[in-house]
Amino acid sequence: DAKTTQPPSMDCAEGRAANLPCNHSTISGNEYVYWYRQIHSQGPQYIIHGLKNNETNEMASLIITEDRKSSTLILPHATLRDTAVYYCIVFSGGSNYKLTFGKGTLLTVNP
Amino acid sequence: DTGVSQDPRHKITKRGQNVTFRCDPISEHNRLYWYRQTLGQGPEFLTYFQNEAQLEKSRLLSDRFSAERPKGSFSTLEIQRTEQGDSAMYLCASSFRGAVGYNEQFFGPGTRLTVL
Repeated sequence: DAKTTQPPSMDCAEGRAANLPCNHSTISGNEYVYWYRQIHSQGPQYIIHGLKNNETNEMASLIITEDRKSSTLILPHATLRDTAVYYCIVFSGGSNYKLTFGKGTLLTVNP
Repeated sequence: DTGVSQDPRHKITKRGQNVTFRCDPISEHNRLYWYRQTLGQGPEFLTYFQNEAQLEKSRLLSDRFSAERPKGSFSTLEIQRTEQGDSAMYLCASSFRGAVGYNEQFFGPGTRLTVL
């Protein structure tokens, strides 16, 4: 699976949009971009995934660039409960279903 | 609550002792995963079951580690002759087979192991 690069930490004001970037310049055509987050002392939680098109669900939006070499996770109205480590993962979708986590981005939402 | 459960939540043991952790996945999920997470790092894959078959093991899973999933339901992870380096959070996750590329894994709360 392709390697991802994320900033180690970001801050966001409560109520504002949080935009978390991820670089995956070596992504191949059959690889998906997945986002998970981990709130302190809990197991990771799935947020959203995409292949080529932008995706939106009740938690977040995922914007993937046309060349697919980078993506941005958008939390439209961040709350204090969104403070967590956010992981961007590239997954091939083949027979190997393991997730390869990096160190992620620690998002701190400030009041 | 019908999520993934793990037992115990915390385990403190002395070096050299054996420990066993249990994971109960979401009932209709046929895939089960074990990960290990140390402080400041993301989770690392250990092993994966599809139903009762163990299909992949990471090289992180030394001979002291063994995992089972009898009858494709709950799973156990045993560590023999624990070492201080085994201290970590052990996470279990489950998923069901969906469309190609679908890999939403549901994680349990983890078992935190401390080896003294």
